[in-house]
Amino acid sequence: GQNIDQPTEMTATEGAIVQINCTYQTSGFNGLFWYQQHAGEAPTFLSYNVLDGLEEKGRFSSFLSRSKGYSYLLLKELQMKDSASYLCAGNSGYSTLTFGKGTMLLVSP
Amino acid sequence: GAVVSQHPSWVICKSGTSVKIECRSLDFQATTMFWYRQFPKQSLMLMATSNEGSKATYEQGVEKDKFLINHASLTLSTLTVTSAHPEDSSFYICSAPDRGPDTQYFGPGTRLTVL
Repeated sequence: GQNIDQPTEMTATEGAIVQINCTYQTSGFNGLFWYQQHAGEAPTFLSYNVLDGLEEKGRFSSFLSRSKGYSYLLLKELQMKDSASYLCAGNSGYSTLTFGKGTMLLVSP
Repeated sequence: GAVVSQHPSWVICKSGTSVKIECRSLDFQATTMFWYRQFPKQSLMLMATSNEGSKATYEQGVEKDKFLINHASLTLSTLTVTSAHPEDSSFYICSAPDRGPDTQYFGPGTRLTVL
């Protein structure tokens, strides 16, 4: 199975860098997603890692270590609009996603 | 990019009635669609996998006779909540992969409130 753990809440200030960690059981795992979800809205795709290492996309980067069952999402130059829930999700089989409980990030001025 | 729509966006119904939620892939064909449920301040929980032309696959603990899923075409899946009760009030979200597991698109969600 894929029990996925991530912190419940995090706070940071505008302009700062924040790292959101995610750990999971490695059995039956194909890849790992990060999604952003604002309250009352559907998740939006941020990243998908299949191979070990860091992938950078503008202000957001995602890292994966398959052997350690560990991933993180790195957000740089935080903006107020980045306040949202960040969901870590693993996929097993074809596109079947198992989500973590999400990390609520609050960005303050 | 690919778009997935849901209808209705929100619905309020009386206890005991049935509610149908539609999920459409607007510019791609989806042989598989997924239905999730999200309670307040909780994560998305996969309810079932909808397969075009065949029976849906339900996750453990999800009543298939209560949550009826039909995937009659490559662009439409429907979820019917039968005999809805207040505990069924939730945010229902569908998703569909386009070209592969890393291109999964979510619908905007349907907020169901059962009185």
